[in-house]
Amino acid sequence: EAEVAQSPRYKITEKSQAVAFWCDPISGHATLYWYRQILGQGPELLVQFQDESVVDDSQLPKDRFSAERLKGVDSTLKIQPAELGDSAMYLCASSFVRGETEAFFGQGTRLTVV
Amino acid sequence: GENVEQHPSTLSVQEGDSAVIKCTYSDSASNYFPWYKQELGKGPQLIIDIRSNVGEKKDQRIAVTLNKTAKHFSLHITETQPEDSAVYFCAASRGSQGNLIFGKGTKLSVKP
Repeated sequence: EAEVAQSPRYKITEKSQAVAFWCDPISGHATLYWYRQILGQGPELLVQFQDESVVDDSQLPKDRFSAERLKGVDSTLKIQPAELGDSAMYLCASSFVRGETEAFFGQGTRLTVV
Repeated sequence: GENVEQHPSTLSVQEGDSAVIKCTYSDSASNYFPWYKQELGKGPQLIIDIRSNVGEKKDQRIAVTLNKTAKHFSLHITETQPEDSAVYFCAASRGSQGNLIFGKGTKLSVKP
């Protein structure tokens, strides 16, 4: 069964360091999402790609966060510098059609900033 | 933008009982409403979804109802089992013009 792959599963980093997460969506899915989920809350959208283009990054803290999907396939989310408040689960999801078909989620990356 | 409210935040039921989780949305243009189940340490997994042209959808023990006029939709789980214990999230989307906006989740505990 096709899955969204994310790595690493867990990451511990020190405050002010840089950290990066990787996501490989399901083959053929044009839409890719990065969500942040704080413990006990629902996922919140950070950025959405349609192929290689960003279609929504209104909630992405652009002073420290960046995201790219250069060839319209896999994607990287970067935080530099990391802050204590960035500790959360970072989820990647993909769907065949934006907003109208099932979004499949990966297992997520649990980030702890110390 | 869209805002999704979900209630209750926690729900405890006895095995075999029914569980109901309710969500309201604010954007009348939303037309796609999925429900996700999230187990500890895992990503959310879709369990059922409904579109605005349908009032009810059922899949075995799980059903979802949608009231477009009142802008609310509900998840119904019948004959609950311990393996149904998880956090459930509702979400809403304006289809191809919008993103999935999630509720804050309901932690369901099914006691044997």
